[in-house]
Amino acid sequence: NAGVMQNPRHLVRRRGQEARLRCSPMKGHSHVYWYRQLPEEGLKFMVYLQKENIIDESGMPKERFSAEFPKEGPSILRIQQVVRGDSAAYFCASSPGLDSPLHFGNGTRLTVT
Amino acid sequence: DQQVKQNSPSLSVQEGRISILNCDYTNSMFDYFLWYKKYPAEGPTFLISISSIKDKNEDGRFTVFLNKSAKHLSLHIVPSQPGDSAVYFCAAKIPGNTGKLIFGQGTTLQVKP
Repeated sequence: NAGVMQNPRHLVRRRGQEARLRCSPMKGHSHVYWYRQLPEEGLKFMVYLQKENIIDESGMPKERFSAEFPKEGPSILRIQQVVRGDSAAYFCASSPGLDSPLHFGNGTRLTVT
Repeated sequence: DQQVKQNSPSLSVQEGRISILNCDYTNSMFDYFLWYKKYPAEGPTFLISISSIKDKNEDGRFTVFLNKSAKHLSLHIVPSQPGDSAVYFCAAKIPGNTGKLIFGQGTTLQVKP
């Protein structure tokens, strides 16, 4: 049973480019969460999705960031026109239900040059 | 507004001794608490949890204590092993229909042989 799969593991983008981060949840998990970890900080909640629906995006910046979890395929976190401050580790987590612990992927480390 | 705080950035313990990691929270509505362990370049791994209706939960070498009146929880690891060296995150769950977690900043534990 594969865990939460994130790709790419490392992503380098120049300022102004777009970044696309992918997450395949564990089999049987329909709840997906995205978290961001800035250097020397804890994980900050960004968005919570279920299949085809954004349930809670209260932690996501209003501009340039978007997320989706289509009926088929992985969840995508998209950052348009990246800036240096977007450099961070982005973690995806999934769970089978609201009362279950979150299972995290190994993250995507985004570096904006 | 840091609702979950881990005030000790680091802790060093001798192998075989007890490690005690602390966590404070401000929101009395939190109903579930979790500890995650994170190795470098990996995602957080779920370790142990406790419901707000309990004051202790034990799993092998790991015990979590919850003091609701003080809004404080702690993770005890005994005996500590070198493989326990990692960053430990305390997390709290907000009641409701999102399942999202609020994380502390983390404590780096080093267990010396």
